[in-house]
Amino acid sequence: AQSVAQPEDQVNVAEGNPLTVKCTYSVSGNPYLFWYVQYPNRGLQFLLKYITGDNLVKGSYGFEAEFNKSQTSFHLKKPSALVSDSALYFCAARWGNKLTFGGGTRVLVKP
Amino acid sequence: DAGVIQSPRHEVTEMGQEVTLRCKPISGHDYLFWYRQTMMRGLELLIYFNNNVPIDDSGMPEDRFSAKMPNASFSTLKIQPSEPRDSAVYFCASRSDSHMNTEAFFGQGTRLTVV
Repeated sequence: AQSVAQPEDQVNVAEGNPLTVKCTYSVSGNPYLFWYVQYPNRGLQFLLKYITGDNLVKGSYGFEAEFNKSQTSFHLKKPSALVSDSALYFCAARWGNKLTFGGGTRVLVKP
Repeated sequence: DAGVIQSPRHEVTEMGQEVTLRCKPISGHDYLFWYRQTMMRGLELLIYFNNNVPIDDSGMPEDRFSAKMPNASFSTLKIQPSEPRDSAVYFCASRSDSHMNTEAFFGQGTRLTVV
C-alpha cells in the first residue's frame, strides 16, 4: 500500500540550531513529494515540493528538503530554526491524483 | 484570489442532527478534495472530484456521509445523522490540473463537534 511515514511525533530544537524533520515513503512508482506546515487553528500551508530534477529543493521561509531515491526519503531541513517555526509539519506524497499524508511531526523551537 | 473558503469555521451540533459543510475552491481549479483530521487517524482523504465529478469516494467512512459538487465553485459535505465520533476538523482543498505538478491549496477547515 502507498504510505508516508514520519517517524518522529515531536522534534525539539533550540533557536538558531539546525532543524530536520524526517519523512519516508513507500516504494511505489515515482510520487510527487510535498511538505506542508500547520499552525494552530489554521489550514495547511504549502512549503515546498519535489517533482523531478535537483535533489535539494528550496521552499518558503528558508526551508529546504532533500530527496533521496535510494532511501525513499524526503527530509525537511532548515539551517537555523526560529521560535516562529514551532508548528505541525506534514509530509505528503502524491501517486496519481491522491495526496497521502504522513502522521505529522510537531516541532518545538525553544528560545 | 481569496484561496479556498470553507464555512462554517466552527460547528457544534447534537447527535442525530444533519450537518452540512461548505467549500468554495480556488477559481479555475479542476480538483477538489475533502479531508478529515483527527488526533487518532491524522489526515484522511474522504473524497475527491475532478471537474465536478466524484472520482474516488473510497475514504468516505459510512453511508451517513455524502458529498456533492453541483458546480465548479461550490461543494458540500453532508453528515446525516451525525454522531460524536464524527467530531473532527474537515478540510477542503483544491488543485489545478493545468500543470500536473501543482500542489493542493487548503482551506482553513471546519471544526465539527457533535455532542
